[in-house]
Amino acid sequence: GAGVSQTPSNKVTEKGKYVELRCDPISGHTALYWYRQSLGQGPEFLIYFQGTGAADDSGLPNDRFFAVRPEGSVSTLKIQRTERGDSAVYLCASSLYGGAQETQYFGPGTRLLVL
Amino acid sequence: DAKTTQPPSMDCAEGRAANLPCNHSTISGNEYVYWYRQIHSQGPQYIIHGLKNNETNEMASLIITEDRKSSTLILPHATLRDTAVYYCIVTLLQGNLIFGKGTKLSVKP
Repeated sequence: GAGVSQTPSNKVTEKGKYVELRCDPISGHTALYWYRQSLGQGPEFLIYFQGTGAADDSGLPNDRFFAVRPEGSVSTLKIQRTERGDSAVYLCASSLYGGAQETQYFGPGTRLLVL
Repeated sequence: DAKTTQPPSMDCAEGRAANLPCNHSTISGNEYVYWYRQIHSQGPQYIIHGLKNNETNEMASLIITEDRKSSTLILPHATLRDTAVYYCIVTLLQGNLIFGKGTKLSVKP
């Protein structure tokens, strides 16, 4: 079946602009995770959704970052007033119910470059 | 910070077993050990996980020490396509993964 998809695959923007990154999880998965991966580093947790609600947003670096999942499926990560340091690969993952016993399935990521 | 320690890189000859070590000395009793790998320019891919017992699936085997302070991922017959960064992760209860820098495994012909 279809895996996790993310759009766009690449995004180039200018410093100060607003960007939206989209994640389509595997159908029926209630848990959705966003991670950010800088060059040469492992992915870093940003936010976790259980259904429509953000169960844990402790990884969001500051208030320029916001994510929504209004219908419990597709999620959008929003970044305001982008900075060059926001350049990274943004990864989305989903799992059936969430929790430590479940496998997370990752999308291919969105490569964001802030000039 | 990641709760695991892994060597930054390892080499393995094609067709031989690759044994990737991981230390997780502060693991709690209810935390799982997960292994993911990331092939260049792709998202991480699940390999295997375990709590206390050794586990085996079609991709790999996971050996966890009795005190659970370390584990080893075994790829029994490494191929060139197994070249990737391998992450050993100790999960929190709600499942968000705390990645370290992983081990870059290079499988050589």
